[in-house]
Amino acid sequence: SAVISQKPSRDICQRGTSLTIQCQVDSQVTMMFWYRQQPGQSLTLIATANQGSEATYESGFVIDKFPISRPNLTFSTLTVSNMSPEDSSIYLCSVLGQQNTEAFFGQGTRLTVV
Amino acid sequence: DAKTTQPPSMDCAEGRAANLPCNHSTISGNEYVYWYRQIHSQGPQYIIHGLKNNETNEMASLIITEDRKSSTLILPHATLRDTAVYYCIVRVGNFGNEKLTFGTGTRLTIIP
Repeated sequence: SAVISQKPSRDICQRGTSLTIQCQVDSQVTMMFWYRQQPGQSLTLIATANQGSEATYESGFVIDKFPISRPNLTFSTLTVSNMSPEDSSIYLCSVLGQQNTEAFFGQGTRLTVV
Repeated sequence: DAKTTQPPSMDCAEGRAANLPCNHSTISGNEYVYWYRQIHSQGPQYIIHGLKNNETNEMASLIITEDRKSSTLILPHATLRDTAVYYCIVRVGNFGNEKLTFGTGTRLTIIP
């Protein structure tokens, strides 16, 4: 299994500002993902964080709004830029296990934009 | 991408078996069926996965029909702690591009 630590666990931010969320894994993993879960909704994949190259974004998500870094095989960051109240969500980091079978999730970052 | 269809909600009495259905009629031959659950305010938790054979682990059993167009997750002796949203997911992509696409899930409530 993989243990994922996300920081911060929650934050309240002013509109127009940016927040960077950190995801630290206790072992080296190939695949890391970022998800968004809006209130009362299911999880939506934002992007795949690629080590050493630009992230791969899903339809509806762009790098300018959600820049992602992946400097090594155990760490990634997601920045939510120029925030608006519509960005209020839980943001979750996920990794694939060593055998590329099950995925593990962090506890999420609960973001409220006011 | 193969999509899944699940009932939005279900109730089950504590101690009884909870049977959660999932339809995935457009699944491809090399796509796996995964089940995750999300307990309130926590990250999703892996339960079980399978390709075409029935699978069992310490948490649950997964029954996949012979044509693979549907499956059932079975929690053999449901407890109050099993109250959660359960997601049936078909895993897309090839090695190096494995991503999970979540549907709306089934909200399972265990009744005391």
